[in-house]
Amino acid sequence: DAKTTQPPSMDCAEGRAANLPCNHSTISGNEYVYWYRQIHSQGPQYIIHGLKNNETNEMASLIITEDRKSSTLILPHATLRDTAVYYCIVRVASGANSKLTFGKGITLSVRP
Amino acid sequence: DVKVTQSSRYLVKRTGEKVFLECVQDMDHENMFWYRQDPGLGLRLIYFSYDVKMKEKGDIPEGYSVSREKKERFSLILESASTNQTSMYLCASSPNHRDRYGYTFGSGTRLTVV
Repeated sequence: DAKTTQPPSMDCAEGRAANLPCNHSTISGNEYVYWYRQIHSQGPQYIIHGLKNNETNEMASLIITEDRKSSTLILPHATLRDTAVYYCIVRVASGANSKLTFGKGITLSVRP
Repeated sequence: DVKVTQSSRYLVKRTGEKVFLECVQDMDHENMFWYRQDPGLGLRLIYFSYDVKMKEKGDIPEGYSVSREKKERFSLILESASTNQTSMYLCASSPNHRDRYGYTFGSGTRLTVV
């Protein structure tokens, strides 16, 4: 799986948008960008994934650059419950080579 | 709601004991995984399985073994527990087919070896 690079931490104010960056300059054509988050003392939770196009769901939006070498996860209105470690992972979508390799992620702190 | 269930949330075992960590998923997923998570080291893959009775080593298999006799159950075994195996253990599953959610994780088992 391609490696990803994320800053170690960031913070944002409650109610504001949180934009979490991720670099994946060696991503392959068949690899998707996945985002997970882990709230303290819980297992990681899927947020969103995408291949080329921008994606949006009830939790977040994912913006992938045209060259696919970087992406941004956007939490449009961050709440205190969004404080967590966010992992950006690239992998093939299915099959025997699809195991997830976690980096250190980015710690998002949402302040009141 | 889909579920990955780990049998224990907290576990305390003595050095040298044989320890079984159980994981059950109800989603008919082919793939199952065991990770451990330690402060400063993140999540590291111990073992995974792509099918019943099939297993492959992850990044840190030493001191562990696994068993997958049924599709829904994946057990992690510490043959002789040691204090450096004190950790949070996380089980996950995923399907082989193209899938929206990637992995589904359990809530974790916090194992302390004394």
